[in-house]
This record gives sequence, C-alpha cells and structure tokens, in this order.
Amino acid sequence: DSGVTQTPKHLITATGQRVTLRCSPRSGDLSVYWYQQSLDQGLQFLIQYYNGEERAKGNILERFSAQQFPDLHSELNLSSLELGDSALYFCASSGTGTAKETQYFGPGTRLLVL
Amino acid sequence: AQSVTQLGSHVSVSEGALVLLRCNYSSSVPPYLFWYVQYPNQGLQLLLKYTTGATLVKGINGFEAEFKKSETSFHLTKPSAHMSDAAEYFCAVSVNSGYSTLTFGKGTMLLVSP
Repeated sequence: DSGVTQTPKHLITATGQRVTLRCSPRSGDLSVYWYQQSLDQGLQFLIQYYNGEERAKGNILERFSAQQFPDLHSELNLSSLELGDSALYFCASSGTGTAKETQYFGPGTRLLVL
Repeated sequence: AQSVTQLGSHVSVSEGALVLLRCNYSSSVPPYLFWYVQYPNQGLQLLLKYTTGATLVKGINGFEAEFKKSETSFHLTKPSAHMSDAAEYFCAVSVNSGYSTLTFGKGTMLLVSP
C-alpha cells in the first residue's frame, strides 16, 4: 500500500459524458501527478500540481482539467468523453526535500467509455 | 527532453533463472532513474531508484539495477526468478530538478514458467 488513494476504482460511462476522478496523496506530500495508461499510448504524464498550483502540463487534452484543493486532494475532470478516453488513470504523489524525486502511485481508476 | 527505451515487450524465463530486463535512456542532463512493477489489475509499485551516488542500487524482492552513464543504461536484474515475479516492469526517467515528471518506457512483461 503506497498511501495514495484513488476513487472510484472503476467507472463506466457513455460517450459525451463527464466524470470526476479523485485522488488523496500520501500524508505530507504536497505534489500530485496524474498519468494515463492505455494500450496504445502506454503511460503518459497528464498534469502536476504542487500545493494547490499547477506545476507542469503534459499530454493533457483540453477536455480534461484538474485541480488540487487546500486539503491537498486532487480531482481530474474528464468531459465530452470519447471511446478513446477509456484507460487506467493513475495519481501519484511525492514529498519535499530529498523525497521529492520519488513518486508513489495509487491503485488507479479504470475508466470505460461505451 | 528525455526518453526511455525498454528492449523486449515480453521476456520469458524459467523459475530459478536469471532475470535481465533492459532499459536505455536519453537525457541531456543527469537523470534520475526508476524501475516500477505493475501486477495485474494493480497500481505501480516502486522497485528501486537511482538518483546520485552508488551506481549499483538494490531494491525490493531481490532486484537490483546498475546505472551505466557511458552506455546510458539502467538494466534490471535478479539472480533467480520466482513465479511471483511475473508482472509488467516499467523503467522511467526524470531529470535532476524539483518535482520533475516521469517519462516511462513502454514496459516489459516478465513471464516466469515452472
């Protein structure tokens, strides 16, 4: 158990819909990262937040957005869903100081768009 | 920008045999290097990491990896495979700066036969 929690574990929805994925980082970690894992694209970085502010952006679609709240949990919002958005979405967190370079991953949310 | 190449999408070994999973990276600055393992229907678990210092790093479950700058490699080894090692293994790189994101290889599926 990494200490990173993600909900829900599974999500099934229809094209055109909007969903929200939730992540709680390890206790004390200020940085949260979101990754997408799909068969064709592999593991890809989407976005990073540090203490409530966006720090880095990767291959995140405009239909996707994220935020980190004052209690440090993060949400990833996916809208106008397409079949190709079906994937496993991971959240990771990292600490501060010398611990900042190591990311610990949650169990993931498996999204199926029908 | 950094990149990771994992040679072999599938590696098959017999139980008790040496495990060797290959990873080569590309980075214009000194890298941090990681190996993660993913068991079926689970999240990513950190196996080991190289940041600075000793180039031979030991991880969990008897795995180790050696950072070779001249070869830009970070191959993962284990002297004797167990059935429980069957999983997908990901090599990842980040650069030596704060809160850098991970760039992953495409993964290598390790199959262990009795």
